[in-house]
Amino acid sequence: DVKVTQSSRYLVKRTGEKVFLECVQDMDHENMFWYRQDPGLGLRLIYFSYDVKMKEKGDIPEGYSVSREKKERFSLILESASTNQTSMYLCASSLRAGHYGYTFGSGTRLTVV
Amino acid sequence: AQRVTQPEKLLSVFKGAPVELKCNYSYSGSPELFWYVQYSRQRLQLLLRHISRESIKGFTADLNKGETSFHLKKPFAQEEDSAMYYCALPHGWGSQGNLIFGKGTKLSVKP
Repeated sequence: DVKVTQSSRYLVKRTGEKVFLECVQDMDHENMFWYRQDPGLGLRLIYFSYDVKMKEKGDIPEGYSVSREKKERFSLILESASTNQTSMYLCASSLRAGHYGYTFGSGTRLTVV
Repeated sequence: AQRVTQPEKLLSVFKGAPVELKCNYSYSGSPELFWYVQYSRQRLQLLLRHISRESIKGFTADLNKGETSFHLKKPFAQEEDSAMYYCALPHGWGSQGNLIFGKGTKLSVKP
């Protein structure tokens, strides 16, 4: 019963490419989040969204943008991929503001060469 | 500023030994704290939250406001407890609220 689905498990892209990471949730959650997970650095918030077409910057938004045209879908965009964006990207959702029982996707391992 | 600190990157114990994963926080007010766990090749998932005061898989965590800590404990570790553990704290308010995570502690339970 997968509830948060990330479209790709592994991706390899070239430096300078525009990269799209897709995330879909089927729980009618209002909030969606993108984190990157790096060894020794934990999870760092890139962007989040609390409603359709709404977005907020997290702690490390530089080099990224997001899109939320529909409630169930939250896309992370790397405008021009760089090697320092090689990482595990985790999408999460929560019911609404103030709800912190996040449901995470299985992650996308992105390698930029 | 809100902050979560997990001082140990790696914790290694033998099966049957007690385990304590440390978490300290910086927060003004009454915090709501969480532990998340990620087993090998699995999704990150909520383990427990302090407001529910429940025990999940034998783990408990008590909020100590005086020491600003929320350590995760289990009296007898099992091999299946081996995983990455993250302590988390809310950041921001209302629709701006989100979770900030510590850097994580990798627990290794040896047979």
